[in-house]
Amino acid sequence: KNQVEQSPQSLIILEGKNCTLQCNYTVSPFSNLRWYKQDTGRGPVSLTIMTFSENTKSNGRYTATLDADTKQSSLHITASQLSDSASYICVVSARGSYIPTFGRGTSLIVHP
Amino acid sequence: DGGITQSPKYLFRKEGQNVTLSCEQNLNHDAMYWYRQDPGQGLRLIYYSQIVNDFQKGDIAEGYSVSREKKESFPLTVTSAQKNPTAFYLCASSDLGLAGSYNEQFFGPGTRLTVL
Repeated sequence: KNQVEQSPQSLIILEGKNCTLQCNYTVSPFSNLRWYKQDTGRGPVSLTIMTFSENTKSNGRYTATLDADTKQSSLHITASQLSDSASYICVVSARGSYIPTFGRGTSLIVHP
Repeated sequence: DGGITQSPKYLFRKEGQNVTLSCEQNLNHDAMYWYRQDPGQGLRLIYYSQIVNDFQKGDIAEGYSVSREKKESFPLTVTSAQKNPTAFYLCASSDLGLAGSYNEQFFGPGTRLTVL
């Protein structure tokens, strides 16, 4: 069964600090992996998308990495801001399927 | 201004009532999806549709119904048969390229349903 596991479940950091969120998946055959940001009470918004051949992609202060061999991805947030407080969801799609597999998300709180 | 809209933002239902959540998109996407989100859980698929007048059950379809009479619209009805409907409901849409390809899902703002 396709699964996406994220860690940690929640994280609290001080404003200005960096942090890294983890995503492990067993989706096969792999097509692409996306990271979404979901603010409280809002719909998820895409941050990055990576295919098998891409091992890193940046979007401003967000940098996602992908290791397709170990089936792991990470999302690194640099110089965190209060507005980074949100849930970050890892989503993996398999080739041949229109239905992606969602992780449960990591809840990030940035304190001033 | 392209995007996905959901209405209402908040909805209150009495036990035994059916309620319908609206989802409209002007992105010209073929596929539309309904997800349910509960605290601490990932998004769970209720129904999805890849073409007008056709839709498929997701993982938790019991107690829900949908229709797809227009490409732009995919309303979700929460029936009285759904025993625990209080949740945050998200609608999404995507292109239908090659399955599993860059068919990114775009999400609406969500509807929070509360059963009184």
